[in-house]
Amino acid sequence: DAKTTQPPSMDCAEGRAANLPCNHSTISGNEYVYWYRQIHSQGPQYIIHGLKNNETNEMASLIITEDRKSSTLILPHATLRDTAVYYCIVRAYTDKLIFGTGTRLQVFP
Amino acid sequence: GAGVSQSPSNKVTEKGKDVELRCDPISGHTALYWYRQRLGQGLEFLIYFQGNSAPDKSGLPSDRFSAERTGESVSTLTIQRTQQEDSAVYLCASSRKLQGAAEKLFFGSGTQLSVL
Repeated sequence: DAKTTQPPSMDCAEGRAANLPCNHSTISGNEYVYWYRQIHSQGPQYIIHGLKNNETNEMASLIITEDRKSSTLILPHATLRDTAVYYCIVRAYTDKLIFGTGTRLQVFP
Repeated sequence: GAGVSQSPSNKVTEKGKDVELRCDPISGHTALYWYRQRLGQGLEFLIYFQGNSAPDKSGLPSDRFSAERTGESVSTLTIQRTQQEDSAVYLCASSRKLQGAAEKLFFGSGTQLSVL
């Protein structure tokens, strides 16, 4: 079973920041938070991951609360090509990646 | 190629026939995963390989499903006596699986299986 809770859908205006929340209140100390996205008809794409600290890469930023019970993925300047289903996953090293239902992000002009 | 390659991209078969789906992982990736995605639904884990052994087969839905992997290379997912409920996109992913490190999976584009 997925260990995360995400809103089923969100909208964002092109050029604005998209903030996608994820609740993982039962996360264990050795579990990472991962984000993937799936654009229509493609395989999922890795975005970012973190353990305790906030992380940033060329695609996005990941903000993890101090108690690690929730996180937010930030796409700083959303484009139409960012329209996708975004999956938040918590996983320890030895575990398989379990995908939930994700958040369907619609970026509109 | 630089990415995970899956073949065929599309497969149409008749109910009761056997099918083989192939996955070529990224060179050097020791871990390989198979997932299934039915229309409009999320990804279901099927099986995981580390090298050519399969420590986790817990997601295989029935004994009609089997998979093998040759060394740290190609994997084949076989579905025997296909049923209409097997219709889905079958996705393969690979990773370097470094001990103790966070793992990034790279996915192929999948095989769309349609059972008539």
